Amino acid sequence: GQNIDQPTEMTATEGAIVQINCTYQTSGFNGLFWYQQHAGEAPTFLSYNVLDGLEEKGRFSSFLSRSKGYSYLLLKELQMKDSASYLCAVSLDDYKLSFGAGTTVTVRA
Amino acid sequence: IAGITQAPTSQILAAGRRMTLRCTQDMRHNAMYWYRQDLGLGLRLIHYSNTAGTTGKGEVPDGYSVSRANTDDFPLTLASAVPSQTSVYFCASSALAGSSYEQYFGPGTRLTVT
Repeated sequence: GQNIDQPTEMTATEGAIVQINCTYQTSGFNGLFWYQQHAGEAPTFLSYNVLDGLEEKGRFSSFLSRSKGYSYLLLKELQMKDSASYLCAVSLDDYKLSFGAGTTVTVRA
Repeated sequence: IAGITQAPTSQILAAGRRMTLRCTQDMRHNAMYWYRQDLGLGLRLIHYSNTAGTTGKGEVPDGYSVSRANTDDFPLTLASAVPSQTSVYFCASSALAGSSYEQYFGPGTRLTVT
């Protein structure tokens, strides 16, 4: 089976920075996705990394190291609306996604 | 532009009954997927289809069937529902073209099997 690990919960203060780590051991790899999911809603796409390195998109950045089986999502200048679950997903052969269990981030005032 | 629609929004179903969850997309995406999401387990792939006329099994296919008669529709059928199928079901689609492999998710169907 596929093994994708990320922390269950994280708490941070408004305006701060939070880094969500994701490690993976999978049978195939066509890239790594990060999704955001607010409570009771559908997941929405945040980022996609297929090459090693950092991808920056506004307040959110995502990093990938394929040799280490490691990625992180960096959320800067946290806002209350960033309180959500963040899902790490590996794209496998045939472009199926295998998801981690998700990290619930709570932003405190 | 609707994107992906799912029906029903929620359903309470007696064990042993047959149920079809509907999913329709208007983005002309090649690939479609069905996931279930359970607390603590994340999203798990049930079945998928990379193009109309073909389907494949995901991580947890037992007790579910799908069909892909055309590009837009991808129904999920529970032939005889059991309480362990109580979950939130998400349908998703992807273009699988160029460098765009992101999946777009529908709003979900909350199913309770009693």
